[in-house]
Amino acid sequence: AQSVTQLGSHVSVSEGALVLLRCNYSSSVPPYLFWYVQYPNQGLQLLLKYTSAATLVKGINGFEAEFKKSETSFHLTKPSAHMSDAAEYFCAVSDMWGSSGDKLTFGTGTRLAVRP
Amino acid sequence: SAVISQKPSRDICQRGTSLTIQCQVDSQVTMMFWYRQQPGQSLTLIATANQGSEATYESGFVIDKFPISRPNLTFSTLTVSNMSPEDSSIYLCSVQTLSYEQYFGPGTRLTVT
Repeated sequence: AQSVTQLGSHVSVSEGALVLLRCNYSSSVPPYLFWYVQYPNQGLQLLLKYTSAATLVKGINGFEAEFKKSETSFHLTKPSAHMSDAAEYFCAVSDMWGSSGDKLTFGTGTRLAVRP
Repeated sequence: SAVISQKPSRDICQRGTSLTIQCQVDSQVTMMFWYRQQPGQSLTLIATANQGSEATYESGFVIDKFPISRPNLTFSTLTVSNMSPEDSSIYLCSVQTLSYEQYFGPGTRLTVT
């Protein structure tokens, strides 16, 4: 079975500081990994995905994530936080080649606050 | 990518009634999914909506409570039946593209009184 753990339900950074949101996964097969962002009262927006190509994945809005198999991690980073980055971030995993197929399993989410 | 719309965007319903949520996508897709997001929580998959056959439900969700229709490759409905306050949630549909990306609709915010 696949699972995702997001360390830190709340993260607060100053505007211009590095953003680091942590995600660790568990999967019995090579996983596909995703980061989504949810702004208040909106649906989820795909930030980036990892599907077994390059381990460093660049997404929208200046975010990137690095797949580290040895650490079973897929942490999300952004060099310089902007006020507009304040939102809820979800990491998700699917084991496309395993028993769960296309289904996404989501982490519990990390709420990012950005201080002026 | 895919553009997804949902109707209604929000509703307030009385206990014991049913609500049908519509999901429309701007292109033909094979995989459509329905999720529930309870207040302040993450997303839980309710079912996979299969075109031309019955939906596949996840553990803890049953067809009598959450009947789903998928009449074609661009449209699906989820009904929340015999509602109770515990059904108050955001319900989201999503679609999967050929590049294995899932795109989500804006959600339907349901409050049951």
